Amino acid sequence: RKEVEQDPGPFNVPEGATVAFNCTYSNSASQSFFWYRQDCRKEPKLLMSVYSSGNEDGRFTAQLNRASQYISLLIRDSKLSDSATYLCVVTRGGFKTIFGAGTRLFVKA
Amino acid sequence: SAVISQKPSRDICQRGTSLTIQCQVDSQVTMMFWYRQQPGQSLTLIATANQGSEATYESGFVIDKFPISRPNLTFSTLTVSNMSPEDSSIYLCSVEEGPQETQYFGPGTRLLVL
Repeated sequence: RKEVEQDPGPFNVPEGATVAFNCTYSNSASQSFFWYRQDCRKEPKLLMSVYSSGNEDGRFTAQLNRASQYISLLIRDSKLSDSATYLCVVTRGGFKTIFGAGTRLFVKA
Repeated sequence: SAVISQKPSRDICQRGTSLTIQCQVDSQVTMMFWYRQQPGQSLTLIATANQGSEATYESGFVIDKFPISRPNLTFSTLTVSNMSPEDSSIYLCSVEEGPQETQYFGPGTRLLVL
């Protein structure tokens, strides 16, 4: 079993839709959690950190459930420019960062 | 966040040859990381490079195949040695910042081995 698991998708949604991604992690000692975005043929870029209290950045909302060991990302009012691969990332401390395989999102006009 | 550059951005190489990838950071950092991302896959950590000491390699990666240099706090190189087509991949360097150990990546080097 992978330490960080994501639904690979692809998710195909129309513009304006709300879409949610989930990610589970297996190591209860995990400390920090992030969502990264990776565009085709580009490097991953930090989208947002994820906190237990939940956090929002514009149309993006991230949630962390430590008890169930899962992380979610909600995108509201999807734009064409949201099309990308979304990576769930977990750190265990000691410079140990684990990347999920990514969830692909296609937003259609 | 740190600004990271990599050279070359892409290359096409013959099998059996070696390629050295450079990574430059605009600030001093303790640790630098080298990742590989094969087509359609997520990132796999190759090694962690600490200035002034030997790099620490992850399982499945060895120094003879991927020698790393870290001569100062802003620069590192990764060499892909005796290349085969299976080494075709994107190679990314990264640094960590902040108490959450957030990773920031260079633009990557796209390598195709024929």
